[in-house]
Amino acid sequence: DAKTTQPTSMDCAEGRAANLPCNHSTISGNEYVYWYRQIHSQGPQYIIHGLKNNETNEMASLIITEDRKSSTLILPHATLRDTAVYYCIVTLSNFGNEKLTFGTGTRLTIIP
Amino acid sequence: DGGITQSPKYLFRKEGQNVTLSCEQNLNHDAMYWYRQDPGQGLRLIYYSQIVNDFQKGDIAEGYSVSREKKESFPLTVTSAQKNPTAFYLCASKLRDTKGGYTFGSGTRLTVV
Repeated sequence: DAKTTQPTSMDCAEGRAANLPCNHSTISGNEYVYWYRQIHSQGPQYIIHGLKNNETNEMASLIITEDRKSSTLILPHATLRDTAVYYCIVTLSNFGNEKLTFGTGTRLTIIP
Repeated sequence: DGGITQSPKYLFRKEGQNVTLSCEQNLNHDAMYWYRQDPGQGLRLIYYSQIVNDFQKGDIAEGYSVSREKKESFPLTVTSAQKNPTAFYLCASKLRDTKGGYTFGSGTRLTVV
């Protein structure tokens, strides 16, 4: 799996959009970008994933650059409950690829 | 509601004892995984299983053992051979042949005393 680079920490004001960047310059053509988040002392929660096109669901939007070397997770209206560690992961997402590698992620703090 | 259940939430073990962590899912997921997380660190894969009666070692399998006798269950045994077992253990599952995300349990915090 390709390696990802994320900032160690970020702050965002409550009600504003939180934009979390991720670099994955070695991503291959058939690798997907996944985002998870982990609230303290809980299991990670799946947020969204994408291959080439931008994606949106009820939780967030995922913007992937045209060259696919970086992406941004957008939480459109951050709340205090969005305070968590956010992990960006690149993986083949085929059933045979099992090594989902979680780095240390970005610790996002929502400020009241 | 469907989900993945880990028990117990907190577990204390005396040094030299084996201990088994439970993971049960009613999501009809084919694949199940065990991860370990140390303070301030990411998750590391211990073992995974794609189908019943089959499992593979992850990156840090030494000192651990698993079984997959039923689709719903994937217990993890932390043996006395594991030199530093104190950690947060997470179980996850995934539906086969889909690009959806993993579902994680709420974790078991194991402390060796």
